[in-house]
Amino acid sequence: AQSVSQHNHHVILSEAASLELGCNYSYGGTVNLFWYVQYPGQHLQLLLKYFSGDPLVKGIKGFEAEFIKSKFSFNLRKPSVQWSDTAEYFCAVIRTGGFKTIFGAGTRLFVKA
Amino acid sequence: NAGVTQTPKFQVLKTGQSMTLQCAQDMNHNSMYWYRQDPGMGLRLIYYSASEGTTDKGEVPNGYNVSRLNKREFSLRLESAAPSQTSVYFCASSQDRAGNQPQHFGDGTRLSIL
Repeated sequence: AQSVSQHNHHVILSEAASLELGCNYSYGGTVNLFWYVQYPGQHLQLLLKYFSGDPLVKGIKGFEAEFIKSKFSFNLRKPSVQWSDTAEYFCAVIRTGGFKTIFGAGTRLFVKA
Repeated sequence: NAGVTQTPKFQVLKTGQSMTLQCAQDMNHNSMYWYRQDPGMGLRLIYYSASEGTTDKGEVPNGYNVSRLNKREFSLRLESAAPSQTSVYFCASSQDRAGNQPQHFGDGTRLSIL
């Protein structure tokens, strides 16, 4: 069965620190990968996505993620976080052309001002 | 542009009561989804509708039913609510199947079953 593992459930950083959130998935076929962000009290919003092509994808608000197929990983990075990045981040995987998205458990990021 | 609209935003039910959660999208999307979000478990797919007139089970369909009323609306029904169904419910839609297009989410319905 497909699964998505996010390594950190809670991360606390100071402003300007660098961020890397790990995401690994298990699925042998072709997949599409997403990172969604949920700010406090809000709905999920797409941060970035990978469908094909350059494995380094850039999203909104300075976030980027790298797809490493051999490691089944899709880690999220940001060079310098801001207080406004405080949110919960979800990695998600879906078989290309499928309907059933599998979400990770989420990582709560708290950025100290 | 409203996007995906869910009603109600909050609801408290007693065990055994029934309830329908409403979802409507104004983006002319073909596919719609219902998820539940529980602490430490991320989002889990309950049901989805690939297109108007079709519905299919997701990961956790037991205790729920859905109706794709038309292209815009996709409702989720709890026939006999149980405390285990206390959760935050999100509706989402995508232009095409989620494997080809990202999903757009509603603001959620926070449901408590006593």
